[in-house]
Amino acid sequence: DSGVTQTPKHLITATGQRVTLRCSPRSGDLSVYWYQQSLDQGLQFLIQYYNGEERAKGNILERFSAQQFPDLHSELNLSSLELGDSALYFCASSVEAGGTGELFFGEGSRLTVL
Amino acid sequence: AQKITQTQPGMFVQEKEAVTLDCTYDTSDQSYGLFWYKQPSSGEMIFLIYQGSYDEQNATEGRYSLNFQKARKSANLVISASQLGDSAMYFCAMREVQTGANNLFFGTGTRLTVIP
Repeated sequence: DSGVTQTPKHLITATGQRVTLRCSPRSGDLSVYWYQQSLDQGLQFLIQYYNGEERAKGNILERFSAQQFPDLHSELNLSSLELGDSALYFCASSVEAGGTGELFFGEGSRLTVL
Repeated sequence: AQKITQTQPGMFVQEKEAVTLDCTYDTSDQSYGLFWYKQPSSGEMIFLIYQGSYDEQNATEGRYSLNFQKARKSANLVISASQLGDSAMYFCAMREVQTGANNLFFGTGTRLTVIP
C-alpha cells in the first residue's frame, strides 16, 4: 500500500459527460502528479500541483482541469468526454516539488467512455 | 531524444531462473534518480527499486537488484529466482532535478512472462 488513495477505482460513462477523479496523497506529501495511461500512448504526464499551486503542465487537454485543495487532496476533472479518453488515470505524490526521490502511485482510476 | 529507452517489448523466463530487463537513460544532469515499477494486470503501479545517481553500490531489494552502469547510462533490473507472480509489465523511470517542469520520465515498458 503506497498510501496514495484514488477514487473511484472504476468508472463507466458516456461520451459528452463529465467526471471527477479524486486523489488523496500520502500523509506529508505536498506534491501531486496526474498521469494518463492509455494503450497507444503509454504513461503521459498531465499536470503537477505543489502545495495548492500548479507546478508543471504536460499533455493535458483543455477539456481537462485539475486542482489541489488546502487539505492537499487533488481532483482531476474530465469534461466533454470522448472515446479516446478511456484510460487508466494515476495520481502520484511526493514530498517535494522537484528532487530525485520516489513518487508514490495510487492504484489508478480506470475510466471507460462508451 | 527519448529520456528512457526499454528495448525489450516482451521477455520470457522460466520459473526459478533469473532475468534481466534492460533500461538505458539519457540525461545531462549529474543528480537524478532511477526507478523500476511493476504493473500487474490489475493495473496498479508498484514501486520495486530505486537508485540514486550518486549511489556507489547497486541497489537491491529482495529478489530485485538494479545493475547501475553510470558511464553507459544503463539501469537494468535483475529479477532472481523468477516466480509466476512476477508476470507483469515493468517500467523503468528517471527523475531529474528540475523544478517547474515534469521531471519524471517513463520508458515504454517490458512485458515479462514467467513460464512454469
